[in-house]
Amino acid sequence: QKEVEQNSGPLSVPEGAIASLNCTYSDRGSQSFFWYRQYSGKSPELIMFIYSNGDKEDGRFTAQLNKASQYVSLLIRDSQPSDSATYLCAVWHYQLIWGAGTKLIIKP
Amino acid sequence: ETGVTQSPTHLIKTRGQQVTLRCSSQSGHNTVSWYQQALGQGPQFIFQYYREEENGRGNFPPRFSGLQFPNYSSELNVNALELDDSALYLCASSPETSGIYNEQFFGPGTRLTVL
Repeated sequence: QKEVEQNSGPLSVPEGAIASLNCTYSDRGSQSFFWYRQYSGKSPELIMFIYSNGDKEDGRFTAQLNKASQYVSLLIRDSQPSDSATYLCAVWHYQLIWGAGTKLIIKP
Repeated sequence: ETGVTQSPTHLIKTRGQQVTLRCSSQSGHNTVSWYQQALGQGPQFIFQYYREEENGRGNFPPRFSGLQFPNYSSELNVNALELDDSALYLCASSPETSGIYNEQFFGPGTRLTVL
């Protein structure tokens, strides 16, 4: 059974601080890794994807991948109240396997 | 560029009925995937269509079926509805069917309630 695990939260972070979201996966054959943001009642919105070990930066967001540890994370710098949402980790190996998401709350 | 659209936005059905949900893919995308998202859970993969053929299926019973049309729009059909089928149904289109780069673009979803 392929699994993707995330802490459900909520994770509460002060405005302007760094939010750190984590995800582990069970399938060593997984090829690419995605972070989606989902606001309540809305569909998931892609933030970024990564498929090589190391860091990938896009604006305030940094994705980190460690395939040996089967671990992927998302850092959000200078957190804003508008970043408050559920963050979903998804892992691709012939199909997308999703975690249940981490609820992030940015406190003004 | 037109995004992914879905219809209807909300639907209420009773147990045992049948339902058809519709999706119009983003322009230029030939692959569509359908997901079921129960409240508080991540999306669960139902199936994927590529050029009108089913190209992968998740752990869903045969009463979940689909179609993709030549214009790449698609349908999800669910027969003999059960209470547990109540969920947000998401359609996502992508320009590739395989490879490690598989960015998917989601529609707004259809909220199905089964009473």
